[in-house]
Amino acid sequence: KQEVTQIPAALSVPEGENLVLNCSFTDSAIYNLQWFRQDPGKGLTSLLLIQSSQREQTSGRLNASLDKSSGRSTLYIAASQPGDSATYLCAVPDNYGQNFVFGPGTRLSVLP
Amino acid sequence: EAQVTQNPRYLITVTGKKLTVTCSQNMNHEYMSWYRQDPGLGLRQIYYSMNVEVTDKGDVPEGYKVSRKEKRNFPLILESPSPNQTSLYFCASSLLGGTEKGTQYFGPGTRLLVL
Repeated sequence: KQEVTQIPAALSVPEGENLVLNCSFTDSAIYNLQWFRQDPGKGLTSLLLIQSSQREQTSGRLNASLDKSSGRSTLYIAASQPGDSATYLCAVPDNYGQNFVFGPGTRLSVLP
Repeated sequence: EAQVTQNPRYLITVTGKKLTVTCSQNMNHEYMSWYRQDPGLGLRQIYYSMNVEVTDKGDVPEGYKVSRKEKRNFPLILESPSPNQTSLYFCASSLLGGTEKGTQYFGPGTRLLVL
């Protein structure tokens, strides 16, 4: 059964820092991996989706990489801003692309 | 505007009183799913649907029912709610499940309290 973990559980950084969030999964037979952002009391917003055949995906200041063989993905946030403060979650579908498993999330605080 | 809507957003009910949480998407997505989010347990999938009339259990389906009679709607039914179903519920949809077109779009959430 797929298990997804995220490190660190929480992170506090000063504005302007570059930072890396980590996501690990136990079963490397995945279709894709998706990163989300969740603001307190709100729904999830999709940030990036990396296909299993891709190594990385970029959107603005965000860059996500995927290493299927080692069961890892990283989300790199460049030049962090207070508006980036949120919980970041990664998720992978099962072998059939239907049942999704989420990581517990990393709670990020960017201090002005 | 492309979106996933859920109703109600907040609901307080009593044990055993049947309720339905509606979910609707306007993106012509084939895949829809329900999740619950609990402190310390994270997001867990309840049910999902790959297309009309096709539904399957996720990781925590006990106590829930779903139906997919139309492509755009995917209601979550609690036949006899219990306090352990107090949670934050999210509906999500994507074009084609966990494939290259699998970006999931989430609704705003429904906060349910069962007394």
